[in-house]
Amino acid sequence: DAGVIQSPRHEVTEMGQEVTLRCKPISGHDYLFWYRQTMMRGLELLIYFNNNVPIDDSGMPEDRFSAKMPNASFSTLKIQPSEPRDSAVYFCASSLQQGTYTFGSGTRLTVV
Amino acid sequence: SQQGEEDPQALSIQEGENATMNCSYKTSINNLQWYRQNSGRGLVHLILIRSNEREKHSGRLRVTLDTSKKSSSLLITASRAADTASYFCATKHEGGGNKLTFGTGTQLKVEL
Repeated sequence: DAGVIQSPRHEVTEMGQEVTLRCKPISGHDYLFWYRQTMMRGLELLIYFNNNVPIDDSGMPEDRFSAKMPNASFSTLKIQPSEPRDSAVYFCASSLQQGTYTFGSGTRLTVV
Repeated sequence: SQQGEEDPQALSIQEGENATMNCSYKTSINNLQWYRQNSGRGLVHLILIRSNEREKHSGRLRVTLDTSKKSSSLLITASRAADTASYFCATKHEGGGNKLTFGTGTQLKVEL
C-alpha cells in the first residue's frame, strides 16, 4: 500500500486566494482526519470523518475552512479566502475502525 | 483544552544512552499512544498502551502509564542517531469518539 497520499506537498499562495488540499486515505480505512501543525499551537484536529460522514468539525477555525469527503478514497480541505495566519503544515491521517492512525507526509501551506 | 504537556521540550543525548520523555494529560483516557515525527515528515505510530495497562514494551521502546497521576513516559534504550526526531504522546479520551489529542512534543537529538 502506498500509504496516505497528500497533494500538493508545498503550496504558496497569495492572501485572498482559494486553496484546496487533497488527501487519499489508505484503502479500506473508514476514518479520515485533518490536522494542522504550527509551532505556536502544535497539532490541532480540524475535522474527522467516519464512512465519509463528518463526525466532529469543532476544530475548524472559521467559515473560511471547509472539508468534504465525496467518497471513501478522497477528501479535500478548502480555505477560501486564505490568510497569512493559515500558514501551517496540514496533515491528513486515516485509520481502520478505532485503530492507530497512519499519517500522510503533509502539505506545507504558505500564504503571503 | 485537553492537549497534553510533554517534557522535556528538547533533549540531547549521546548515542548509546537512554532517552526518557514524559507526557501528562488532563482527563480520563481510553488509551495513550506515542508517535514519532522526523523533520519534514508525517507522524509514525510507535506504541499504544490501554488505560488498564501499566507498562508495555516494543523493541527498544518501553512505555509506562500511571492513570492516577495522568502521566506516561516513553523510554528509548540504547539510542541511535536514527532516533533523532520529535516524539508526541496522543490520548484518546473517554467520550471523545475516535479523535486523538496530541501533546506538545519532545525534540530528541542523538549525537554520535
